[in-house]
Amino acid sequence: SQTIHQWPATLVQPVGSPLSLECTVEGTSNPNLYWYRQAAGRGLQLLFYSVGIGQISSEVPQNLSASRPQDRQFILSSKKLLLSDSGFYLCAWSQKGQVWAGELFFGEGSRLTVL
Amino acid sequence: LAKTTQPISMDSYEGQEVNITCSHNNIATNDYITWYQQFPSQGPRFIIQGYKTKVTNEVASLFIPADRKSSTLSLPRVSLSDTAVYYCLVATSGTYKYIFGTGTRLKVLA
Repeated sequence: SQTIHQWPATLVQPVGSPLSLECTVEGTSNPNLYWYRQAAGRGLQLLFYSVGIGQISSEVPQNLSASRPQDRQFILSSKKLLLSDSGFYLCAWSQKGQVWAGELFFGEGSRLTVL
Repeated sequence: LAKTTQPISMDSYEGQEVNITCSHNNIATNDYITWYQQFPSQGPRFIIQGYKTKVTNEVASLFIPADRKSSTLSLPRVSLSDTAVYYCLVATSGTYKYIFGTGTRLKVLA
């Protein structure tokens, strides 16, 4: 069966510090990978998605970046965090080649607090 | 991408049936409708998916009228543990950019 893991689960960082959140998927190959952010009490904001190694689509211009160095690994980074980067970050994956669209499998989430 | 509109919040009592409607007026032929449930501090969880008419599983039913411009998630006999945010997602077959709407915050009261 497929599983998705992301870490760290909780992170407290000072403004201006770097960030690295990591996500890995097991039990499938060539998945689509996603990073979403959820501010407190708000909905899911799509940040990045990737359909393959080295292929990243950015949805929101900001000081975050994403990379996909391996097929089942997705990394979210920042060189200098802002207060507004605080939130709940969710990694997700979906399968390719299906007629049905919209089925996502989410990780446990990483809660980032920027002070 | 089809834009979705849902009520911001709903209250219900235990044991009642809850219906949450999502509007997607510009849905396209190749679009599919998926509903998710999210508890606080957890990732969303897939509930049900459909294209047209009615779909039922062990958790919920999904009703989609012939024109597909809306869909209704039906939760039978809700309990306190059904208190969560419910999202409607409309996604196009063959594309992988999935943008969620604002969701509906359901609160089940004792």
